[in-house]
Amino acid sequence: GAGVSQSPRYKVAKRGQDVALRCDPISGHVSLFWYQQALGQGPEFLTYFQNEAQLDKSGLPSDRFFAERPEGSVSTLKIQRTQQEDSAVYLCASSLHTEAFFGQGTRLTVV
Amino acid sequence: GQQLNQSPQSMFIQEGEDVSMNCTSSSIFNTGLWYKQEPGEGPVLLIALYKAGELTSNGRLTAQFGITRKDSFLNISASIPSDVGIYFCAGKLEGGADGLTFGKGTHLIIQP
Repeated sequence: GAGVSQSPRYKVAKRGQDVALRCDPISGHVSLFWYQQALGQGPEFLTYFQNEAQLDKSGLPSDRFFAERPEGSVSTLKIQRTQQEDSAVYLCASSLHTEAFFGQGTRLTVV
Repeated sequence: GQQLNQSPQSMFIQEGEDVSMNCTSSSIFNTGLWYKQEPGEGPVLLIALYKAGELTSNGRLTAQFGITRKDSFLNISASIPSDVGIYFCAGKLEGGADGLTFGKGTHLIIQP
């Protein structure tokens, strides 16, 4: 498809489990962003890539969160030792210039 | 942290009515953006504002960026059922992180 694709759409993890969330940006988009959206809240910025370089990770809530984009295309957000407070929708967005296009998100539920 | 305050939190209106929602901040933003999000979907950009005082229309939508770049509003004229959703204001904070800061959203509900 032509849009931002995220997988899985839904993930249930047991507390303490590691998870990996994938984002396929729009082809050719240089910039890639990850956001966390808790229930009833607006998205909150986590991290930003320009090609393969992670230029801003100021929004990552703890060192359990790690993101990579090794070839400047697909990105993975990894959360280690998941906690209940990590339950949220994780949104990926990509952009070529100024307008960012969002994927449908991955809903993570930690039980 | 930096916040965008949206009002109202929710709106219950009749089909055909006009809608107005606001976004304010104590900080200056380089861009003023309005997104719409429907259940199970990511936010979709409706209108982008880049200059202080800029007024922009997109069909039935009109938005303006405040002179101080600390506030904006979004108007929807002659609402229709498919306007239902959550409307977020967002922006890039001047001198801030590379990502966008979002408000908490205004939930628009249209009664038949």
